[in-house]
Amino acid sequence: EAGVAQSPRYKIIEKRQSVAFWCNPISGHATLYWYQQILGQGPKLLIQFQNNGVVDDSQLPKDRFSAERLKGVDSTLKIQPAKLEDSAVYLCASSNNHGGANVLTFGAGSRLTVL
Amino acid sequence: KQEVTQIPAALSVPEGENLVLNCSFTDSAIYNLQWFRQDPGKGLTSLLLIQSSQREQTSGRLNASLDKSSGRSTLYIAASQPGDSATYLCAVRGISSGSARQLTFGSGTQLTVLP
Repeated sequence: EAGVAQSPRYKIIEKRQSVAFWCNPISGHATLYWYQQILGQGPKLLIQFQNNGVVDDSQLPKDRFSAERLKGVDSTLKIQPAKLEDSAVYLCASSNNHGGANVLTFGAGSRLTVL
Repeated sequence: KQEVTQIPAALSVPEGENLVLNCSFTDSAIYNLQWFRQDPGKGLTSLLLIQSSQREQTSGRLNASLDKSSGRSTLYIAASQPGDSATYLCAVRGISSGSARQLTFGSGTQLTVLP
C-alpha cells in the first residue's frame, strides 16, 4: 500500500509571498487532515475533510490559509500572504474512518521556511 | 480545552536500559489515546492506541498504559536500542463534538539511545 504523498518536501519563501502544498492520501481513505507542526511542538490540526466536505476548520487562519479537496482525493493547502510565524512542517494525514478509533497515516511533511 | 503535556522533553539513555515516557492530559473525557513515533524529517508513525475503556496495550518491546481518572499515560520501552532514537508523541481524542473530538498532541519527548 502506497503511503501519503506530499510535495514539495522543502520550500523557502519570503514573507508576504504565497505557497501551496499538495497531498495525495492513501487510496480509499475518505478522511484527510492537514496539520501544522512548529519546531519543538506537537502537530496542530488546521483542517479536516470528509470526502470533499470540510468537517473542522476551526483552527485554520482563514485570512491567509485556504485548503481544498475538490474531487475528494488530492488536497491543496495554500498560504497567502505568508508570515514569519508560518515557518513549520505541514503534515498531511488520511484515514478510512471518520473520527472514532481510526488510525491516521501521516505523510513525511512539507517544511516551510519564511524569511 | 484539552492540554497534553509530556515530560521530559528530552531523554538520553544507554543501550539496553528500560525506560518510561510520561504523558498527562487535563480533560479525562477522552475517546482514546495514541502514542506516535516521529523520526527526523519524517511523518508520524502510530505505535499504540488505547481505547478509553482499556488499561494498557502492548506491541513487542512497547507497553502503553492509561489511567484516565488521573489523566496519565506512560509508554514503557524495554531493552532500548539505538534504533529507538526518535521523538515520541502522545495524542488524545476527545469525546465531545466538534473540535474537541480531534486529536490533541503533546510536544513530544526526544529520546536518544546511546550505543
